[in-house]
Amino acid sequence: VQLVESGGGVVQPGRSLRLSCAASGFTFSSYDMHWVRQAPGKGLEWVAGTSYDGSNKYYAESVKGRFTISRDNSKNTLYLQMNSLRPEDTSVYYCARDGRLSMVVILPFEYWGQGIQVTVSS
Amino acid sequence: EIVLTQSPGTLSLSPGESATLSCRASQSVSSNYLGWYLAWYQQKRGQAPRLLIHATSNRATGVPDRFSGSGSGTDFNLTISRLEPEDFAVYYCHQYGDSRTFGQGTRVQVK
Repeated sequence: VQLVESGGGVVQPGRSLRLSCAASGFTFSSYDMHWVRQAPGKGLEWVAGTSYDGSNKYYAESVKGRFTISRDNSKNTLYLQMNSLRPEDTSVYYCARDGRLSMVVILPFEYWGQGIQVTVSS
Repeated sequence: EIVLTQSPGTLSLSPGESATLSCRASQSVSSNYLGWYLAWYQQKRGQAPRLLIHATSNRATGVPDRFSGSGSGTDFNLTISRLEPEDFAVYYCHQYGDSRTFGQGTRVQVK
């Protein structure tokens, strides 16, 4: 299993950025996927998640209405479109995959990417 | 939103000692037949987190048996018996039964 994030960088407040997460080593279309972030020196914050087929999407209150999670199962890629960025969005953003042992047994964030830095600053 | 509060913030211990980390939820965490939807992660400096425990007490693949989880409802613990040098890290609890939230973390450092 490999998850590789890209698209990070430095952006001004109010601007947009799109992160990508390229997945390999597993059947991408079978697994729920998420974005989790970590501000400098701080703890983990779940940002958004999507079901295996993209039909269900979930967001943290802190990003609802500004961020959009999506996936392209034909390209084995997860995305996070981030609009109206704020300085408090500055974080390392991780792509993470849930595992599943059965219909009711989830392995939450079983696999993680290495993370990508997003800095929002003027 | 379920708020998770971890204690203590920092634990200073020596290799070979045991560590007990606490995680308290603001309301009862959902459950299934395996346990409550409460997980634990280990994060070392500069690395992504690693899943240690899921459903309260079930070790993830490859996790040593010195790591054990317990608890129910709103109170959960992670115990590390006989600390090894590689166990000194930050540990997060996480509930995944009602949206997803993390605790603020407990740092286990060398005394």
